[in-house]
Amino acid sequence: AQKITQTQPGMFVQEKEAVTLDCTYDTSDPSYGLFWYKQPSSGEMIFLIYQGSYDQQNATEGRYSLNFQKARKSANLVISASQLGDSAMYFCAMREGPSGNQFYFGTGTSLTVIP
Amino acid sequence: KAGVTQTPRYLIKTRGQQVTLSCSPISGHRSVSWYQQTPGQGLQFLFEYFSETQRNKGNFPGRFSGRQFSNSRSEMNVSTLELGDSALYLCASSQDRRRQETQYFGPGTRLLVL
Repeated sequence: AQKITQTQPGMFVQEKEAVTLDCTYDTSDPSYGLFWYKQPSSGEMIFLIYQGSYDQQNATEGRYSLNFQKARKSANLVISASQLGDSAMYFCAMREGPSGNQFYFGTGTSLTVIP
Repeated sequence: KAGVTQTPRYLIKTRGQQVTLSCSPISGHRSVSWYQQTPGQGLQFLFEYFSETQRNKGNFPGRFSGRQFSNSRSEMNVSTLELGDSALYLCASSQDRRRQETQYFGPGTRLLVL
């Protein structure tokens, strides 16, 4: 089974609107971390936001927030007030257990912000 | 702090050759991971090094190897290159001092095999 599933290959959003990128995960480990990365066309993966499995509140970083629904095993990224520079690939990732285990990445969602 | 650096940024090789890619992690980071990214297969984990030891390994043939030096810098080597090895190779580092710490990526090396 896939550890990380991103079901939206491509998404479009109007500039200044909010957009939600979906991510579901599969693990039986009670301790895990969830991460979102942005990859512009230049190729570099940029860390956006992190959510720990034991965190009580949803993580937020500026315009990025993570809608963490533990029972549903989902960790959706919400981008508020989209900007043209947000156009990129977005990857959801998970790391299980304590540090030392590998990261698992989803297949990514291509976001295009329309002026 | 300087970010993760990778050299070279671009590389063109022919089938059968070998290639060595280099990664310098963020200062103080002890864990270095390598990934291969292709349009068809997406992002695939190659291996992870921690304190000069390979800690995790992905499902790649033995032609792909790596090592880490005492200063945490890492190299990966691909021998007997195949056309399918054309990809973006990404390196990521983390301090690895606490649970679930994030990885920070370098700009990648784009390898083209002709």
